[in-house]
Formats: sequence, C-alpha cells, structure tokens
Amino acid sequence: AQKVTQAQTEISVVEKEDVTLDCVYETRDTTYYLFWYKQPPSGELVFLIRRNSFDEQNEISGRYSWNFQKSTSSFNFTITASQVVDSAVYFCALLTTDSWGKLQFGAGTQVVVTP
Amino acid sequence: DTGVSQNPRHKITKRGQNVTFRCDPISEHNRLYWYRQTLGQGPEFLTYFQNEAQLEKSRLLSDRFSAERPKGSFSTLEIQRTEQGDSAMYLCASSTQGSRGGNTIYFGEGSWLTVV
Repeated sequence: AQKVTQAQTEISVVEKEDVTLDCVYETRDTTYYLFWYKQPPSGELVFLIRRNSFDEQNEISGRYSWNFQKSTSSFNFTITASQVVDSAVYFCALLTTDSWGKLQFGAGTQVVVTP
Repeated sequence: DTGVSQNPRHKITKRGQNVTFRCDPISEHNRLYWYRQTLGQGPEFLTYFQNEAQLEKSRLLSDRFSAERPKGSFSTLEIQRTEQGDSAMYLCASSTQGSRGGNTIYFGEGSWLTVV
C-alpha cells in the first residue's frame, strides 16, 4: 500500500526566514514519482516539483529546493527567504505503478508567513 | 498552454437535485482525472480516464456518481440525488502518459459544491 506522511500540520514563520517541509513516503514499487503541490486560499492546486524514483539529483529553482533521499524515503521541500505570498497549504504526493491515476496525497502542511 | 478548465466554479444545490460538472483538460493530454477534496483534507482520487476509456474508479464513487469522457477530450462528472455529504470541492486534472507510465498531473481550479 502507498502512504504519504506529512507530520507537520502548520508552520509559522516571519518573512525572510527559511521553511522546510517534511515528507515521508511508503511504497514497494521501484518506479514511482513524488510531487509537491501548493494550494493557496483560492483553492487551486499548483504543481511545484516532480521527482522520479530513478533520479536522485536534488535541485534548486529560485527560492525552492528539494532533498530526495531514497534510503530514508523522504522528499523534503525548502522555501528560502519566505514571502507572504508563500502562505498556503503544501501537499506532498506519490504516484506509483499500482495506479497511474491515483495520486496519494499527504495531509498537507499549512505554511503561514507573517510580515 | 491553457490550463485545466472547470465549470461551474461554484454550485449551490438543494439536497436531492442532480448536478453536473464539466472539465476541459490541457490540450493533447490523454489522461483525465477527478478528485474530491473536503475542508482540511488532501484530495482523494475518484476516477481517471485514458482517452475515452475509464480505467479506474474509487470505492468513493458511489452509484450516484458517474463520469464520462465520450470523445476523449472534455469530461463530465454527474452527481445524482445529491446529499449533504457530497459538499466538497471537485478537482479535475490532466496529464500525458509518461515513458515509464507516470507523469506530472496538472489540476484545475476546482468546482465547489454546496448541498443545502
């Protein structure tokens, strides 16, 4: 069975602080995809990053960076120098060969950035 | 690329009425998905299509729910005899089929349903 755990329910920071969101996943599949999505108050789920199980290279894109560690089944996400517009719920999600339609989402982490 | 388009964005209906939501995927995306999200929860999978074929349905999709994608382009999700428990946001998404099976799934803005 697939499972995604986001242990942090809410993180509050002051603008310009860094924020790291934790994500731990479970799957028996060797081929899978991991995603981070952002959901602002408007409700739309915005795709941020995808990582494949067969590619462990970590990347930085602007203020966003990701740390994918297959050995610990973790896919953490960092926002550097947070801004008020980063306030949203962030979801980690897993897609596996078990079902190419079924994204398994974590419970989400609410990020609150105050000025 | 235009994104995934959903309408109506908001629907208030009386219990027992039928409602239908429409989704237009990103052009050339052959996979289309429906998810449901209630307040404070992550989205839950309902069903997905590859072209016009409905490949999988969740147990969440009761007999009152039906989804179609008749020509492999837009899709409709109909809820018959709505119940208050159906109140949620219904999210549509689309993707192409990746070389290893999976690919990035892009979501629309969602359709909010309130059953009174």
